[in-house]
Amino acid sequence: EAGVTQFPSHSVIEKGQTVTLRCDPISGHDNLYWYRRVMGKEIKFLLHFVKESKQDESGMPNNRFLAERTGGTYSTLKVQPAELEDSGVYFCASSQVRRGGQETQYFGPGTRLLVL
Amino acid sequence: QKEVEQDPGPLSVPEGAIVSLNCTYSNSAFQYFMWYRQYSRKGPELLMYTYSSGNKEDGRFTAQVDKSSKYISLFIRDSQPSDSATYLCAMRVPGIRSEKLVFGKGTKLTVNP
Repeated sequence: EAGVTQFPSHSVIEKGQTVTLRCDPISGHDNLYWYRRVMGKEIKFLLHFVKESKQDESGMPNNRFLAERTGGTYSTLKVQPAELEDSGVYFCASSQVRRGGQETQYFGPGTRLLVL
Repeated sequence: QKEVEQDPGPLSVPEGAIVSLNCTYSNSAFQYFMWYRQYSRKGPELLMYTYSSGNKEDGRFTAQVDKSSKYISLFIRDSQPSDSATYLCAMRVPGIRSEKLVFGKGTKLTVNP
């Protein structure tokens, strides 16, 4: 079974440009999460989809970030316009809909974004 | 005060040593406690999952939760060079709408042959 995949693995852009990150969850996983790790800080939650619906977007830093999950399959995270402080590693995770409380989130390898 | 505190290390031990990794937390609503292992340039991988207080053992790994002290630990026995990685504690509040994880900063462990 394929794991969570993310594309691209690395992206270097200039301040003011637009970048779109993609995440393909494990097939059949309804839950999809985006997290971000800024250098020197802990991994922080950005948002959570259940199928195509945004369940919780309380971690989105500002309106320059737009996440979509059309059709409830893959998800994209667009940053427009990118700022220097957006640099970091963006992780995607997916999980099955919860059964009985335990839920394992499976993480992708991350996209390393550098804004110059 | 951060919700989860974890000493980032780095921690360097000889092969065969017992390793103790720890996190403290402030949110008493946390009920699920996890340890993730992250190798360089990879995503976090779930290592141990515990609910409520107590111990859970899996091979060379033991996870311990003390909710009264808001303290969790991961012990690695007979550590191996392949255990060299960053270890992240993570916790969550069972929520109606979201199961987001709250992470510690991670502790970088090196096991020397």
